[in-house]
Parts: sequence; structure tokens; C-alpha cells
Amino acid sequence: EADIYQTPRYLVIGTGKKITLECSQTMGHDKMYWYQQDPGMELHLIHYSYGVNSTEKGDLSSESTVSRIRTEHFPLTLESARPSHTSQYLCASIFGVEQFFGPGTRLTVL
Amino acid sequence: KQEVTQIPAALSVPEGENLVLNCSFTDSAIYNLQWFRQDPGKGLTSLLLIQSSQREQTSGRLNASLDKSSGRSTLYIAASQPGDSATYLCAVRSLSEKLVFGKGTKLTVNP
Repeated sequence: EADIYQTPRYLVIGTGKKITLECSQTMGHDKMYWYQQDPGMELHLIHYSYGVNSTEKGDLSSESTVSRIRTEHFPLTLESARPSHTSQYLCASIFGVEQFFGPGTRLTVL
Repeated sequence: KQEVTQIPAALSVPEGENLVLNCSFTDSAIYNLQWFRQDPGKGLTSLLLIQSSQREQTSGRLNASLDKSSGRSTLYIAASQPGDSATYLCAVRSLSEKLVFGKGTKLTVNP
């Protein structure tokens, strides 16, 4: 089973601030993903990466950006947070054929 | 475009009952199907994964089936317990390796 870490777990921040959500895994998985989940709604893929220096946008358009400089880390950045960014952000990686998820970051933008 | 539907959206049962959660998908060209559990405010825990060539998988009191040709999967929970209360998500992995999720079934098991 994969261990995927996300920090912070909860974040309340004001409009216009720049934020970075951290995601890391120590298993050396190449494929990593970011999902966004609004309360009571399904998960939507916003970014994914198949390895170092590889990033792609997902099915749901997002104003966030990601980077993959190291295999273990897949941080997500919002340059200027807005209330519409309030949501839960879930990071995942694939181990074999199975996808595993981190605990998520619940973001609230005031 | 793959679409995943889960029925019912919510289910409340007394402890001890056997129950079935349903998942349907529109495109049968899938790589695998995965059932997850999500507790409030938490991440997702993988329960069962069925490869496209398989018909079912079992883990403890859980049994998941897959009928790829009809685009359906079911998650059977035997002898439900209050600790089973959570939202259950079905996700289909396409040949492009992206997961498409349903909205989930919120299960409440009453003591």
C-alpha cells in the first residue's frame, strides 16, 4: 500500500494570497494526480503527472498549476486564491494497477 | 466521454442487513474498476479493484462484481455494521489511465 502525505490538512486563507498545497510519496511512483472535490460532489481530475518534468491538465479546468521536479513531490499552487477555490484537494498516485489517495487538504478562501 | 452513475445516492439500513450498492458506466472500454470508501472530510480508502478481465473480487464482508458488457458493477456488503457508515465511491479507469468517479452512495448503518 502507498503512503501519500498532504500538507496542510486544513487551510483558511484570505482572497488574493498565494498558496501551495504539498503532496509527497516515498514509494517512487511515477504517476501522480490531483483531484478537486466540492462537498457532496464527485471528484474531478485537475492535474496529473507521469514522471519528473511531466505535467498535464486534467478534465476539469483549474486556475491552479503544478510542478514535478522530483519524483516524490507534486505540489499544487494557486497564485491568487479566490472564494471559488474553496474545496477539498486530493492527491493520489498509482501503485501497480491500483490508485491510492492522500488524506486531502480542505481549503477555505474567505 | 465516460460517465459513472451511482444508485442510490443515499441509503440508511439497520445494523446486520446485507446491502447492495450499484454503479453503472457508459463506456465499456475500461482498464479496471475500483471501489473506494470516504469518511467525512477524509481521503479515499481503496476497498476493491476489479480488472476488466475479472468478474468479481472479495475482501472480508465485501464483494464487488463487474459486468463490463452491460456497464455495471455492484458492491455487496454483508452483515453491515455502524462502522461501515461512509460514502462509497465507484471509479472507472479508462485505457488512458484516468479515473472517472461517480458521485457516491452515502451509507448510514443504524445500531
